[in-house]
Amino acid sequence: EAGVAQSPRYKIIEKRQSVAFWCNPISGHATLYWYQQILGQGPKLLIQFQNNGVVDDSQLPKDRFSAERLKGVDSTLKIQPAKLEDSAVYLCASSLRTGFGNTEAFFGQGTRLTVV
Amino acid sequence: AQKVTQAQTEISVVEKEDVTLDCVYETRDTTYYLFWYKQPPSGELVFLIRRNSFDEQNEISGRYSWNFQKSTSSFNFTITASQVVDSAVYFCALSEAVFGNEKLTFGTGTRLTIIP
Repeated sequence: EAGVAQSPRYKIIEKRQSVAFWCNPISGHATLYWYQQILGQGPKLLIQFQNNGVVDDSQLPKDRFSAERLKGVDSTLKIQPAKLEDSAVYLCASSLRTGFGNTEAFFGQGTRLTVV
Repeated sequence: AQKVTQAQTEISVVEKEDVTLDCVYETRDTTYYLFWYKQPPSGELVFLIRRNSFDEQNEISGRYSWNFQKSTSSFNFTITASQVVDSAVYFCALSEAVFGNEKLTFGTGTRLTIIP
């Protein structure tokens, strides 16, 4: 079974530029998550999708971050304009179903973003 | 609000020694789920275990074992006879048992180094 695919693996941009990350979840997984992991910290949820609808985006900085999951499959996370503090690893994860918190999430390898 | 504390930032042990990673959590929920994930240098988070709040039985899987104690809000992880391949960052995480929301709250992680 193929895992969660993310691209690119690495990205370096200048502040105020825009950047986009792509994620393809495990086939059949209805729930998709984007997490931000700053160096030395644990991942923090940015947004959770159930199919193509947003379940939780309470920690997404909506003035600069946006995400979409068209057709309920793959997803794109965008940052525009980027700030230095956005330097982090962006992890995508997916899980089989939504149900009372008892389903483990499978993570991709992440995209390491450096903003200079 | 939920919180996960991993007080040990870094641990180094010599190969074949046993090592315990501590995890303390806070939640107001009576029903919740606890997780451990491993993050090797490649970056992806690898699921290790899920435990629900009603099941306080300890679990053993090969060289790994987990000790869940509700009375102290702890969910500790022990590796027996450690190996170099166990070197990674380990995260403890908590999720609510709320239908449709499986957001994981992560601790800050413990970096484990196994010295050959």
